[in-house]
Amino acid sequence: ETGVTQTPRHLVMGMTNKKSLKCEQHLGHNAMYWYKQSAKKPLELMFVYSLEERVENNSVPSRFSPECPNSSHLFLHLHTLQPEDSALYLCASSQGTALYEQYFGPGTRLTVT
Amino acid sequence: GQQVMQIPQYQHVQEGEDFTTYCNSSTTLSNIQWYKQRPGGHPVFLIQLVKSGEVKKQKRLTFQFGEAKKNSSLHITATQTTDVGTYFCAGPGTKAGKSTFGDGTTLTVKP
Repeated sequence: ETGVTQTPRHLVMGMTNKKSLKCEQHLGHNAMYWYKQSAKKPLELMFVYSLEERVENNSVPSRFSPECPNSSHLFLHLHTLQPEDSALYLCASSQGTALYEQYFGPGTRLTVT
Repeated sequence: GQQVMQIPQYQHVQEGEDFTTYCNSSTTLSNIQWYKQRPGGHPVFLIQLVKSGEVKKQKRLTFQFGEAKKNSSLHITATQTTDVGTYFCAGPGTKAGKSTFGDGTTLTVKP
């Protein structure tokens, strides 16, 4: 499946680094999501964008900063992360935000050292 | 906020045995979705249920939505090794776009 792509697939960063995760969807969808998946909490919704406007910020620390320049692209900017932020970060998209299935990308495996 | 609880957390079966995972909510759900995540993969949408008492089938998979729309189940008949993975249910959140995923049921199948 290549409907939703994510780069990089793996990332190792130190706590003082700044990095960005990129997501691109080729499905013509209007909504995009960031999820964090870890062993402790399987799927945590972080941010939701609908028509490029952020409609949900699920109490995520400010060291995570999303950006949605257009309906096809979504970024997650990372800075001064903590080791407990190590997880799989999944991007998803859907046609809309109500009663629509979500299509997930392959994820970025992030390790914070 | 609205939550969905999923049980069991893990299920180990012998190939050929049946498997069921349950999803429960304390409030009425407008819809319920099911996803499957293979080991090392990402969640993939399986199905959505909307109507009270709805039953849908996909080959060996049977999905049900309770009459009160507060619970749902996924039943796999005669499991195969290709069925391994984690099955998630997802209900609508209290805000637009905020889907609430259950913690998932991880299925392992012994050949």
